[in-house]
Amino acid sequence: DIVMTQTPLSLSVTPGQPASISCKSSQSLLHSDGKTYLYWYLQKPGQPPQLLIYETSNRFSGVPDRFSGSGSGTDFTLKISRVEAEDVGVYYCMQSIQLPRYTFGQGTKLEIK
Amino acid sequence: EVQLVESGGGLVQPGRSLRLSCTASGFTLGDYATTWFRQAPGKGLEWVGFIRSRAYGGTTEYAASVKGRFTISRDESKNIAYLQMNSLKSEDTAVYYCSRGLSSAYWGQGTLVTVSS
Repeated sequence: DIVMTQTPLSLSVTPGQPASISCKSSQSLLHSDGKTYLYWYLQKPGQPPQLLIYETSNRFSGVPDRFSGSGSGTDFTLKISRVEAEDVGVYYCMQSIQLPRYTFGQGTKLEIK
Repeated sequence: EVQLVESGGGLVQPGRSLRLSCTASGFTLGDYATTWFRQAPGKGLEWVGFIRSRAYGGTTEYAASVKGRFTISRDESKNIAYLQMNSLKSEDTAVYYCSRGLSSAYWGQGTLVTVSS
């Protein structure tokens, strides 16, 4: 199975400050079709996960532009340019290149200072 | 508006079966894959499996932890997807979510399954 490793596991950020989460995969997520199958989800307290970023760097509809995804191969990053109170929750990266073993990172809990 | 609503969760004894439903509205279920995930209490997310869209044959894929015990199906006339869970184990205790598409752009609120004697 592809192992997804997120760092840090927790993050405490002052509103208005930036935040960054790293996600590393044990194998390349670059598919032969040219796409890199890395996704970012946010699970707010008491809610189901919501899609933020698909295929490494594409923001899903309605996601604020303060969220951005980047990376390639095995190294990926989710950045929040200016954290807001509504951004609290657990962030997960997920790979979907390897069937039938989609796997998630451990999750990164973001709190507001 | 795209909506997914899971139902059918509850308390079940080990070894028994349970069928979860995922009722879709605002879109045609067969036009997309339906993916199932689960989340054990206080734990992270786990991919369970999916059923491909009609255009891709409606074939299924499963995580190793559930393969042979769980079956995903779809009733397009009712716009409902199902997760049939057999031979349940205590480690299957989790909130189960269905989502739309392989990228899981839309999720339901989840339904809790507790496997305990």
